[in-house]
Amino acid sequence: SQQGEEDPQALSIQEGENATMNCSYKTSINNLQWYRQNSGRGLVHLILIRSNEREKHSGRLRVTLDTSKKSSSLLITASRAADTASYFCATDARVETSGSRLTFGEGTQLTVNP
Amino acid sequence: EAGVTQFPSHSVIEKGQTVTLRCDPISGHDNLYWYRRVMGKEIKFLLHFVKESKQDESGMPNNRFLAERTGGTYSTLKVQPAELEDSGVYFCASSLRLAGYGDTQYFGPGTRLTVL
Repeated sequence: SQQGEEDPQALSIQEGENATMNCSYKTSINNLQWYRQNSGRGLVHLILIRSNEREKHSGRLRVTLDTSKKSSSLLITASRAADTASYFCATDARVETSGSRLTFGEGTQLTVNP
Repeated sequence: EAGVTQFPSHSVIEKGQTVTLRCDPISGHDNLYWYRRVMGKEIKFLLHFVKESKQDESGMPNNRFLAERTGGTYSTLKVQPAELEDSGVYFCASSLRLAGYGDTQYFGPGTRLTVL
């Protein structure tokens, strides 16, 4: 089974509503990052949260991390149509030899309807 | 400051042909990574360079894939010969320090490879 798993796989909301996406992982991590991918484009880094942090904010984004449950959530408040994209969590595992590879989940497809 | 760039943006080749993808990391970033996403599945790690040295290539699927990073600057990923299952989007990323130290990996726009 994969390291990062997003939930839900797809989410459709109305503009102005909040969107919450969850991510679970299995091994110990150094940090967890959230990325966005607009259709046909590259991955845009949104936010990084370290394993010793519990919550982080960036504009309309709020990320939480619960290492005891091995889970994270991404909250987008007051969503806009431009937030329509795929969202991925990526974990950087604690690996003795090389702790720098990112392990991605399959992503959540968010659709914000105007 | 320019971000990570990749070339070409899209490549269509026939099975058995050779394709070379290029990645230019952010200037000054010693760490360079290759990832790929095939058939709508999750994005998977391929390999990691620290300057010109391969730090971790455990994600390379087979010996048809060859990655190089001449002089520790840009990197190329060659697929020879290409197979149908190699179709997907190949991403390159770079970071200043190892991500284990809380550093961000910045991704390029990706190269969409289609093998017919």
